[in-house]
Amino acid sequence: QQQVKQSPQSLIVQKGGIPIINCAYENTAFDYFPWYQQFPGKGPALLIAIRPDVSEKKEGRFTISFNKSAKQFSLHIMDSQPGDSATYFCAASYTGNQFYFGTGTSLTVIP
Amino acid sequence: ETGVTQSPTHLIKTRGQQVTLRCSSQSGHNTVSWYQQALGQGPQFIFQYYREEENGRGNFPPRFSGLQFPNYSSELNVNALELDDSALYLCASSLGGQVGLTEAFFGQGTRLTVV
Repeated sequence: QQQVKQSPQSLIVQKGGIPIINCAYENTAFDYFPWYQQFPGKGPALLIAIRPDVSEKKEGRFTISFNKSAKQFSLHIMDSQPGDSATYFCAASYTGNQFYFGTGTSLTVIP
Repeated sequence: ETGVTQSPTHLIKTRGQQVTLRCSSQSGHNTVSWYQQALGQGPQFIFQYYREEENGRGNFPPRFSGLQFPNYSSELNVNALELDDSALYLCASSLGGQVGLTEAFFGQGTRLTVV
């Protein structure tokens, strides 16, 4: 059973556009929601993370929106650049020992 | 760079063989988690080591085993390799034995191919 569902599977935007990646979860015990960026052949790199006591968090061009009642959270990339082309994973955890990852979104930013 | 290093970066093994993968955690971190990432999928939790003890295990068979050393580096051992074990193996370094309390940083992974 997939604990975290991620969509879309792939996304193509023009440079300067705002891609949005969505994730949904079922386990209300989850209390930490990170987003990771992964380039081919590399390990995931932590981008930004949020806890359910806030509805939005911004770090640079990356914003997480969190809707606790809907059990959904999303990543927005402002002013996207070709260098943002990568695979993005959402994840969730409670205060335990593992992350549950989504299936990933392949983002392509066209110059 | 995260300060988490894995070796080797690539490995090719034959079905039935055994393999050992290594991970050096970030300085100051006492927890190492291992994940398996199949092509086109998200990472799947294998197990976690905290202060040299296994501290949780995912849905992987016993032929996946591990160790953590006093310096908090870690090994992942896989016996009786199967073709489906071909994947990118990632280790993540963190502090405190409980993810979500502190950030977790991943290494670059070891690409294992079983033929």
